[in-house]
Amino acid sequence: EIVLTQSPTTMAASPGEKVTITCRASSSVSYMHWYQQKPGASPKPWIYDTSKLASGVPNRFSGSGSGTSYSLTISSMETEDTATYYCQQWSSNSPYTFGAGTKLELK
Amino acid sequence: EVQLVETGGGLVQPGRSLKLSCVASGFTFSSYWMYWIRQAPGKGLEWVSSINTDGGSTYYPDSVKGRFTISRDNAENTVYLQMNSLRSEDTATYYCAKPRRGYHYFDYWGQGVMVTVSS
Repeated sequence: EIVLTQSPTTMAASPGEKVTITCRASSSVSYMHWYQQKPGASPKPWIYDTSKLASGVPNRFSGSGSGTSYSLTISSMETEDTATYYCQQWSSNSPYTFGAGTKLELK
Repeated sequence: EVQLVETGGGLVQPGRSLKLSCVASGFTFSSYWMYWIRQAPGKGLEWVSSINTDGGSTYYPDSVKGRFTISRDNAENTVYLQMNSLRSEDTATYYCAKPRRGYHYFDYWGQGVMVTVSS
């Protein structure tokens, strides 16, 4: 099973600040997907296939990476971006796995 | 509009059983694999089970293998999760999820149903 390690676990950012969340895989994966979850709500697809924004996601978000290292970046933090973000992978020799999540708060 | 509506959650004693249902609408249910994913209180997401389009193939992580059974009724657009020998560590919100065709991520999730295993 491929283990995904997210960092940081929790972080706070000021409005306008650049934010980067990383996700490291225990083995190489082809793609990484990201979800946003707010309290009491279901996860929403946010970034898929490493760098493609899901429908409705603001273009201040971006994704990048390859192999075992991936990241989600917010170019300029906004209040509505406060949430927990999870990375997720699938590979032919590993079941679906998720990172433990990164809680992003407003400073 | 795609909708996934889970039902069947509740409080159950350790060792007992519970069956969850997820009714799907807004897409051709019989053409998609379906998934159950859970989230323990304050914790992350864990894939729990998968089922292929005709129900002939099912998959589970070791944490639930032999205790949980996923099934589907394509005529009723419903996927089920039969949970037996429940443990306290099975306490979680259970989500039904649909993958996007041709991709390996979940583009629609249900609202979730809470399962609490406690005496």
